[in-house]
Amino acid sequence: DVKVTQSSRYLVKRTGEKVFLECVQDMDHENMFWYRQDPGLGLRLIYFSYDVKMKEKGDIPEGYSVSREKKERFSLILESASTNQTSMYLCASSLFFLRGATNEKLFFGSGTQLSVL
Amino acid sequence: AQTVTQSQPEMSVQEAETVTLSCTYDTSESNYYLFWYKQPPSRQMILVIRQEAYKQQNATENRFSVNFQKAAKSFSLKISDSQLGDTAMYFCAFISTYNTDKLIFGTGTRLQVFP
Repeated sequence: DVKVTQSSRYLVKRTGEKVFLECVQDMDHENMFWYRQDPGLGLRLIYFSYDVKMKEKGDIPEGYSVSREKKERFSLILESASTNQTSMYLCASSLFFLRGATNEKLFFGSGTQLSVL
Repeated sequence: AQTVTQSQPEMSVQEAETVTLSCTYDTSESNYYLFWYKQPPSRQMILVIRQEAYKQQNATENRFSVNFQKAAKSFSLKISDSQLGDTAMYFCAFISTYNTDKLIFGTGTRLQVFP
């Protein structure tokens, strides 16, 4: 089975800190995604990547950046954490890019609950 | 822009009963895919069922089935013989075959199955 691993299940940070959320997948998937999940808002896409060193903005990229130096690892970076970035962050991967393979399903990690104080 | 609406924030059902979760979507396109994802307390999102818009037949997966009404843009999930392990958040999601950069998720329905 595909495994998508997020390095931290819970994280508490201070306002202004630089925060790294790490995600690793073990199935050689091309595509990786970072979502943010908030009550009443569902999942919103922050950034995605369809290849090493490639990245594209999702719906809510402001305040975030990403890094994909290796195929299996996709990092989400909060340059200067703010309280409104307190949320659940979900990483996902898929084998093919969704464009042209629309029945491809996403494999998700177990999420990182980030609290910014 | 495409949108996905889940109008039921919370629902509950007794074990062994049947429950239906609602989902509506808005799109001007004719070809797309719809999904139901389950997120149990473990937080691991799991694909429950998938429907292709050009297929008239409703998708089924064991106890899970959908009622896909393309004209009404409705995509409800029916869970038969509910089990305690069905307790979870359920998300409806949409993806267009023309603009397939990302899945669009609804806001979720929290389902509680009672013994």
